[in-house]
Amino acid sequence: GQQLNQSPQSMFIQEGEDVSMNCTSSSIFNTWLWYKQDPGEGPVLLIALYKAGELTSNGRLTAQFGITRKDSFLNISASIPSDVGIYFCAGQRETSGSRLTFGEGTQLTVNP
Amino acid sequence: DSGVTQTPKHLITATGQRVTLRCSPRSGDLSVYWYQQSLDQGLQFLIQYYNGEERAKGNILERFSAQQFPDLHSELNLSSLELGDSALYFCASSVATHPGTSVANVLTFGAGSRLTVL
Repeated sequence: GQQLNQSPQSMFIQEGEDVSMNCTSSSIFNTWLWYKQDPGEGPVLLIALYKAGELTSNGRLTAQFGITRKDSFLNISASIPSDVGIYFCAGQRETSGSRLTFGEGTQLTVNP
Repeated sequence: DSGVTQTPKHLITATGQRVTLRCSPRSGDLSVYWYQQSLDQGLQFLIQYYNGEERAKGNILERFSAQQFPDLHSELNLSSLELGDSALYFCASSVATHPGTSVANVLTFGAGSRLTVL
């Protein structure tokens, strides 16, 4: 079953607002990843984090790898309608090789 | 286009039947993963192959099996299908098999195969 707790489960925001979502785990992860999934499509990688404390940006997206290695957050600034979709956190652990454990997802709705 | 190709995109079948889903990984990727996504749920890891050999197994039912061929494409076989098997099945690929420090170890996903069991 899922080992990553992702919140919030859903968000309804106005265009232009900032968004924040996070993921926590009871286990340590070596890599934290954030994916976005559009309806009927596969997840697409947004940001990859490889070191504890790392803060990485990709355009309006910023993500951080928690210093305890048990959490991560994703921020989206100045949201636009095309940000709509499901955002998933995912982690890789040394004991599990390269396979990913996923969070439950955050459904984001942006109202124009 | 992610470079990971999955066929068929949609499949409708009846309970008790058997289907095969196909995946071609990105060029150069040796590792293939299969995930199941049921309605309103996250992605559940099923199985991983690396260069033709099974590397890791997740919550895969005994009715399901997979293999990776010498040309690195993979097939997921689902048999004795039940209504609850209706889901999106994703294939992903990566270069390596361990967490790394570069995007080479990150999974790239295909567009998925949507299976509907009636």
